[in-house]
Amino acid sequence: GQSLEQPSEVTAVEGAIVQINCTYQTSGFYGLSWYQQHDGGAPTFLSYNALDGLEETGRFSSFLSRSDSYGYLLLQELQMKDSASYFCAVRDENTGGFKTIFGAGTRLFVKA
Amino acid sequence: NAGVMQNPRHLVRRRGQEARLRCSPMKGHSHVYWYRQLPEEGLKFMVYLQKENIIDESGMPKERFSAEFPKEGPSILRIQQVVRGDSAAYFCASSPLAGDQETQYFGPGTRLLVL
Repeated sequence: GQSLEQPSEVTAVEGAIVQINCTYQTSGFYGLSWYQQHDGGAPTFLSYNALDGLEETGRFSSFLSRSDSYGYLLLQELQMKDSASYFCAVRDENTGGFKTIFGAGTRLFVKA
Repeated sequence: NAGVMQNPRHLVRRRGQEARLRCSPMKGHSHVYWYRQLPEEGLKFMVYLQKENIIDESGMPKERFSAEFPKEGPSILRIQQVVRGDSAAYFCASSPLAGDQETQYFGPGTRLLVL
């Protein structure tokens, strides 16, 4: 089967660094994506890792270890506006389809 | 370049009625995905369409739900004889290339409430 696991919620203070982990189990793995979603809003693409290592995009970085079926999203210099839900996702081409599987999401609370 | 558009943003239906949700992908995008999201949960894949073709509908219930993406006009997700359990946010996303699902651009969603 296909599954992704991530913590349900994380709390951090403004200016801090927070890491949101994601472990996955899927067939036909092609890469790990991260999306941000504010309450009542639409998911917004943040990053994608197809190869092992760290990808940096401004304050956000994403890491992937294919051998460990594990990745994380790193948010630096946290701001209040970063309070949102963060979803990891994988594309699974099992059965020849193009299904994207999302984790249940991690709610990040940023405190002043 | 306008983003992905969905309408209506909110839809209220009584049990047994039909719900019709529309999605216009970004200009130049010919691949559309529909997802359902229950409160406090992640997005659940429903269906992936290209123009005039359903590519993968493995996440869509076989009864009451259908989707289309005609040559002209928006993609439509149709739910017949709605039940309370259909209440959810329905998001569509689009991408420009078949293999570029890693970057999906989401619409604002349609919040369906079934009374």
